[in-house]
Amino acid sequence: DTAVSQTPKYLVTQMGNDKSIKCEQNLGHDTMYWYKQDSKKFLKIMFSYNNKELIINETVPNRFSPKSPDKAHLNLHINSLELGDSAVYFCASSQQQGMRGYTFGSGTRLTVV
Amino acid sequence: EDQVTQSPEALRLQEGESSSLNCSYTVSGLRGLFWYRQDPGKGPEFLFTLYSAGEEKEKERLKATLTKKESFLHITAPKPEDSATYLCAAPNQAGTALIFGKGTTLSVSS
Repeated sequence: DTAVSQTPKYLVTQMGNDKSIKCEQNLGHDTMYWYKQDSKKFLKIMFSYNNKELIINETVPNRFSPKSPDKAHLNLHINSLELGDSAVYFCASSQQQGMRGYTFGSGTRLTVV
Repeated sequence: EDQVTQSPEALRLQEGESSSLNCSYTVSGLRGLFWYRQDPGKGPEFLFTLYSAGEEKEKERLKATLTKKESFLHITAPKPEDSATYLCAAPNQAGTALIFGKGTTLSVSS
């Protein structure tokens, strides 16, 4: 029973397309996050949602938009994809803003061609 | 600026050869220092949280320690299955997200 699940695991798409990545957690956590891991394996925070409210947005282009239909889901929509968007995107969740650590999904490898 | 720095970037050990990984941070009012393990093609897996200087936590061959400025992950008599990337993280000053270091990739050969 996967705690944080992301779909799809792999996504290959052309420049200019719009795509979405879905994330669901069954841990009852109150905060969810999206991280981007680049080719050098560096994890950078993109967004977090707490009780359906965006609480941070780290200088991410507005082509990226998080959507949270409920506390258990945080989807990532990306418009007009660019080559530089190629990376692995990780969803994570936590309780009480992460003081007990985050639980990560297995990642979505996005390749823009 | 909140920052987490890890060293070395890569570490190769022989099975049984103990060593330590370093994590230094410049986050004001530190509210926890986190260690994660990441295997290729997978998400980071939580290992430890340390909250105060002098605190130590152990799990199998791993022991994490914390001082006022840095944390160490000691690996005692490593095995090939300990090969992974080890990530260190700390909450940002606002406490709204974890800031990660770039990781140390550990390779243990038999």
